[in-house]
Amino acid sequence: GAVVSQHPSWVICKSGTSVKIECRSLDFQATTMFWYRQFPKQSLMLMATSNEGSKATYEQGVEKDKFLINHASLTLSTLTVTSAHPEDSSFYICSARPRGISNQPQHFGDGTRLSIL
Amino acid sequence: QKEVEQNSGPLSVPEGAIASLNCTYSDRGSQSFFWYRQYSGKSPELIMFIYSNGDKEDGRFTAQLNKASQYVSLLIRDSQPSDSATYLCAVKGANFGNEKLTFGTGTRLTIIP
Repeated sequence: GAVVSQHPSWVICKSGTSVKIECRSLDFQATTMFWYRQFPKQSLMLMATSNEGSKATYEQGVEKDKFLINHASLTLSTLTVTSAHPEDSSFYICSARPRGISNQPQHFGDGTRLSIL
Repeated sequence: QKEVEQNSGPLSVPEGAIASLNCTYSDRGSQSFFWYRQYSGKSPELIMFIYSNGDKEDGRFTAQLNKASQYVSLLIRDSQPSDSATYLCAVKGANFGNEKLTFGTGTRLTIIP
């Protein structure tokens, strides 16, 4: 159980393109999902917490207008990188925690490798 | 001071031996502690979680928590080459309703055949 699906798994696109990444919890509902970014040889850095039916909470230094998050249902959150540039190239990973159960761990999607040319 | 600290390694352990991974955290009120394994180029996968002081065993893995010392460890018995990966320690803070995890930088483990 607790499967999180992330799509697409990799994206290569030109500078200035907007890219949408989907994160789905397949066998559980998640009121909260999390978006991380990981640069090579570094640890995961939390970008934002996605809350179903409300605005996302962004970490300090993360531009909310550049990284648009929508959490329209209990099983789907999307991250849109708007007008992506080469410095946005990274490994983006989402996670979700089962709804209503305290202290349950976060389960991660397989990640999206984004390369901006 | 980093909130969650791990020795970055690399840690090399012979096959069949015990690998010991350590993690310290700064928030004394932290409630939940997680170990994730991450293979190169892949996303993290949950290995174990622990909430109470003491040991928790699951197969070849044992998590140990000492809240007084703000220390959590992961032991891997009978290490296999497939255990070679980066191990991330993650801590959930004390604030009720705050589900954010703070990750350490990870320890790279290599099991030598």
